[in-house]
Amino acid sequence: QVQLQQSGPGLVKPSQTLSLTCAISGDSVSSNSAAWNWIRQSPSRGLEWLGRTYYRSKWYNDYAVSVKSRITINPDTSKNQFSLQLNSVTPEDTAVYYCAREGPGYCSGGSCYQWVDYWGQGTLVTVSS
Amino acid sequence: EIVMTQSPATLSVSPGERATLSCRASQSVSSNLAWYQQKPGQAPRLLIYGASTRATGIPARFSGSGSGTEFTLTISSLQSEDFAVYYCQQYNNWPLFGQGTKLEIK
Repeated sequence: QVQLQQSGPGLVKPSQTLSLTCAISGDSVSSNSAAWNWIRQSPSRGLEWLGRTYYRSKWYNDYAVSVKSRITINPDTSKNQFSLQLNSVTPEDTAVYYCAREGPGYCSGGSCYQWVDYWGQGTLVTVSS
Repeated sequence: EIVMTQSPATLSVSPGERATLSCRASQSVSSNLAWYQQKPGQAPRLLIYGASTRATGIPARFSGSGSGTEFTLTISSLQSEDFAVYYCQQYNNWPLFGQGTKLEIK
């Protein structure tokens, strides 16, 4: 059974950096078949995918266009976890942040398709001075 | 960019009755469609993937259908614990969610 445990501050000041960590149990951040995501949820934006990191013989990252200039997702193989850093936050970044796993899925025609199957517990992050 | 549209925004149904929720994609996502249930204060829970395959431990009263651009989640006989918000999500490239349907007690 995969479990994802999030940690990090719930309050960040405007213009500063939001940092969260997701500890993985029951799987490996270095898995060749999973991907590790950050997703946020707010009343104005709904469920919004932010980005992911995954290992396929080397490390890859994909980021949403909306945050691409401000986001970094890093794996930490020594602790079997991954992290989110979102720079230059504004009150619009206030949301519940989730880490999530995309499981093995399936591959067809040279492409692979994975769905989110496990979620962290969520962290409410408020951007306010 | 693909847009996922769910309808209705709110659905009022009595316990024991059937609920039918819809999800439309602005372009084909084949069968790369999942459904999630979310209760207040909780993370979403995977119900259906591949448009019609129930996830582990999901009761048989939940069923999914559709392919391409039109999808349906049906709950055959509503139990009290089924009243929640439901989201569809396409995974043709990256996770993209609909805006949700709130299923409330009539």
